[in-house]
Amino acid sequence: AAGVIQSPRHLIKEKRETATLKCYPIPRHDTVYWYQQGPGQDPQFLISFYEKMQSDKGSIPDRFSAQQFSDYHSELNMSSLELGDSALYFCASSVGYSNQPQHFGDGTRLSIL
Amino acid sequence: AQKITQTQPGMFVQEKEAVTLDCTYDTSDPSYGLFWYKQPSSGEMIFLIYQGSYDQQNATEGRYSLNFQKARKSANLVISASQLGDSAMYFCAMREGLLGAQKLVFGQGTRLTINP
Repeated sequence: AAGVIQSPRHLIKEKRETATLKCYPIPRHDTVYWYQQGPGQDPQFLISFYEKMQSDKGSIPDRFSAQQFSDYHSELNMSSLELGDSALYFCASSVGYSNQPQHFGDGTRLSIL
Repeated sequence: AQKITQTQPGMFVQEKEAVTLDCTYDTSDPSYGLFWYKQPSSGEMIFLIYQGSYDQQNATEGRYSLNFQKARKSANLVISASQLGDSAMYFCAMREGLLGAQKLVFGQGTRLTINP
């Protein structure tokens, strides 16, 4: 079965640079979530979209922005990167307004030098 | 206040034994969902099992079952006949509200090691 696709899998950036992470949800899933997992920590919710509209917002820095496009894929844009942004970034998708679980992609490991 | 609590930072179990991973939760919403995810050392997050707050029976998925005790607000994961490949980090998570695009709130995780 098709899964959530995230790209790139690994990304190395320097401080103050920008990064764009991409997420392609499972077909027919209309809801996308972004989570950040620091080393040795549990995933923390950043932001979600339902039917291309922002649905909920968590502890996402103002330096980050995200959107969901007409084909339901989503992009997380990160600017003025800091050392503390080094983390595993997950995208998850689900069918909104259902009791179906969120399925996660394999994550993008972002390292800031 | 912590919404999801996993009190076992690490567990060591012999292969083929059953193991129970503890999870307690806190919510005032009568409608919620509880999830368990497995995260191997390679990093991906794998969905294991789901329990809705109104489900009458405990959820089961193959070797995984969820011991749901609503009055105690606990949702423990039981893995029967453990295998070496079960060694991983396990996260309990909750979604408040059964429907909608609600975020997941995770516990701190339990690192399970299966010994041969």
